[in-house]
Amino acid sequence: GAVVSQHPSWVICKSGTSVKIECRSLDFQATTMFWYRQFPKQSLMLMATSNEGSKATYEQGVEKDKFLINHASLTLSTLTVTSAHPEDSSFYICSAKRDVTSEQYFGPGTRLTVT
Amino acid sequence: DAKTTQPTSMDCAEGRAANLPCNHSTISGNEYVYWYRQIHSQGPQYIIHGLKNNETNEMASLIITEDRKSSTLILPHATLRDTAVYYCIVTSSGGYQKVTFGIGTKLQVIP
Repeated sequence: GAVVSQHPSWVICKSGTSVKIECRSLDFQATTMFWYRQFPKQSLMLMATSNEGSKATYEQGVEKDKFLINHASLTLSTLTVTSAHPEDSSFYICSAKRDVTSEQYFGPGTRLTVT
Repeated sequence: DAKTTQPTSMDCAEGRAANLPCNHSTISGNEYVYWYRQIHSQGPQYIIHGLKNNETNEMASLIITEDRKSSTLILPHATLRDTAVYYCIVTSSGGYQKVTFGIGTKLQVIP
């Protein structure tokens, strides 16, 4: 149990376009979902935290108008990278919590390359 | 959340126990110690967590010192598939429980 999926697993897009990444909890309802970004040879950096039905809380330095997060249901959160630029190329990872006391379950990640 | 300190890298012979240390000297009373690992180009995987008692599951054992200022993750019989970056994280339960990842320990299991 506690499986989190992401779609797509990798995507290549042109500069200036928008890309949507989906994160789903497959066998549990997630009260909270998190979005991380990881650049090569670096650790994961938390971008934002979202609870179902409410606005996401963004970490300092993360542009909320550029990285749109929608947590419309207890099993789905989406991250949209708007007007993507090459510097947005990264590994994006989501995670989900079953409840406030549970550990985080991570998705497999989405590799975004902006050309 | 309390900060953690881990060695940057470690090697372990296949079949031997891998002991990964973590210092968290500023841990507070309501903070748990969590361990995750990340195999190359994959999402992190939860391993184990504990508050003050030692814990064991099918993947690993977690030994927490009595003063809770340090802990050790033990993989009893390391395999090549255990090669990964291991993250020790301290975080409080409840609320958002957001997790801050440090650099972690790169464990290389050697045949």
